[in-house]
Amino acid sequence: GENVEQHPSTLSVQEGDSAVIKCTYSDSASNYFPWYKQELGKGPQLIIDIRSNVGEKKDQRIAVTLNKTAKHFSLHITETQPEDSAVYFCAASKANYGQNFVFGPGTRLSVLP
Amino acid sequence: NAGVMQNPRHLVRRRGQEARLRCSPMKGHSHVYWYRQLPEEGLKFMVYLQKENIIDESGMPKERFSAEFPKEGPSILRIQQVVRGDSAAYFCASSPGGTFYGYTFGSGTRLTVV
Repeated sequence: GENVEQHPSTLSVQEGDSAVIKCTYSDSASNYFPWYKQELGKGPQLIIDIRSNVGEKKDQRIAVTLNKTAKHFSLHITETQPEDSAVYFCAASKANYGQNFVFGPGTRLSVLP
Repeated sequence: NAGVMQNPRHLVRRRGQEARLRCSPMKGHSHVYWYRQLPEEGLKFMVYLQKENIIDESGMPKERFSAEFPKEGPSILRIQQVVRGDSAAYFCASSPGGTFYGYTFGSGTRLTVV
């Protein structure tokens, strides 16, 4: 089955700097990769996603890149702000009618003021 | 437009009791997923349901755990004879189905077994 690894497990950056979180997946048939942000005591919230036919996607300060050949994808957050502090999860799935995501173990991002 | 509603938010059960967790999907969503999150760990898939059907329960323990999504009413995750190791946050998510849709998660139920 699918296995998703995520690095680093913790990341501290200064406010205004960029943050990069990397994930790798094992199943070459996976074709949909969402990223979730989880704040303390809350449920995960979808922040951006990418399909396998796209190499990069941007949404304001957030971008995701995908390398299908190497089977890895990354989340990039620019101009980080204290409210970006949270746990971030990547996930992979084979999109079909209904889909089960395999999540990475998470990255705890701390943005220091 | 209410999101995914889970209740209760917190649930304390003694070992051997039953726990019932409820999930109402977003309006228009017909697919429900349950995930478990242990402290400081990621989300592990348990079960995927559509109305009156269990589509995939490959992540659910064979004993003591069951799930349903009846024609009317919320989806229910039931844990019988709870043990300390069942203590975790249980998240429900819903989607409209189709392809390339991310889930919408609820706020979770935090189960503590004492």
